[in-house]
Amino acid sequence: GQQVMQIPQYQHVQEGEDFTTYCNSSTTLSNIQWYKQRPGGHPVFLIQLVKSGEVKKQKRLTFQFGEAKKNSSLHITATQTTDVGTYFCAGGASYDKVIFGPGTSLSVIP
Amino acid sequence: SQTIHQWPATLVQPVGSPLSLECTVEGTSNPNLYWYRQAAGRGLQLLFYSIGIGQISSEVPQNLSASRPQDRQFILSSKKLLLSDSGFYLCAWRTADRKNIGAFFGQGTRLTVV
Repeated sequence: GQQVMQIPQYQHVQEGEDFTTYCNSSTTLSNIQWYKQRPGGHPVFLIQLVKSGEVKKQKRLTFQFGEAKKNSSLHITATQTTDVGTYFCAGGASYDKVIFGPGTSLSVIP
Repeated sequence: SQTIHQWPATLVQPVGSPLSLECTVEGTSNPNLYWYRQAAGRGLQLLFYSIGIGQISSEVPQNLSASRPQDRQFILSSKKLLLSDSGFYLCAWRTADRKNIGAFFGQGTRLTVV
């Protein structure tokens, strides 16, 4: 079945450093979504990418969808302590089925 | 605006007891509905999803079942809980009209089977 992988599993950065997490799917995705989950909370939707090669920005966050629609990345510039949490990518070969990656847990050292 | 309600927030159940978790969505019609389970410190495992009343897709064979008796109601059940059923259960909805948005989650239920 479809698998969605993410690396790294954990990332510790000094405040102000950049952070990147990578997502790879075993199958072509109809779309890729990114979520953030704070400790003890539920996942919160950040963004969805649909087009091959698409790049979207939200303030310090940059999201990319690969040309083959099988990989994606999330880059955070100049991390802040408020960026702490686990970042998940999610997607599916079809719109209706949403498979989550295992997530990248980000900790920011002030 | 749309809201999703999931209850209870926490639950402690003995092994072998039944389970019923309910999720309801307000402010939208014909949503896609999802049940996920998250083990401590792990990712989200898709358990069931539904694109309409009575239409359930099961992703993982186990002793859980799901039902959608009404358009905006999604129920997760078990006849006999196992220790391995412990986890954080999350319900989510997503618009079915393929707009450029993702899934929205309820607050989750932390289930401990003892």
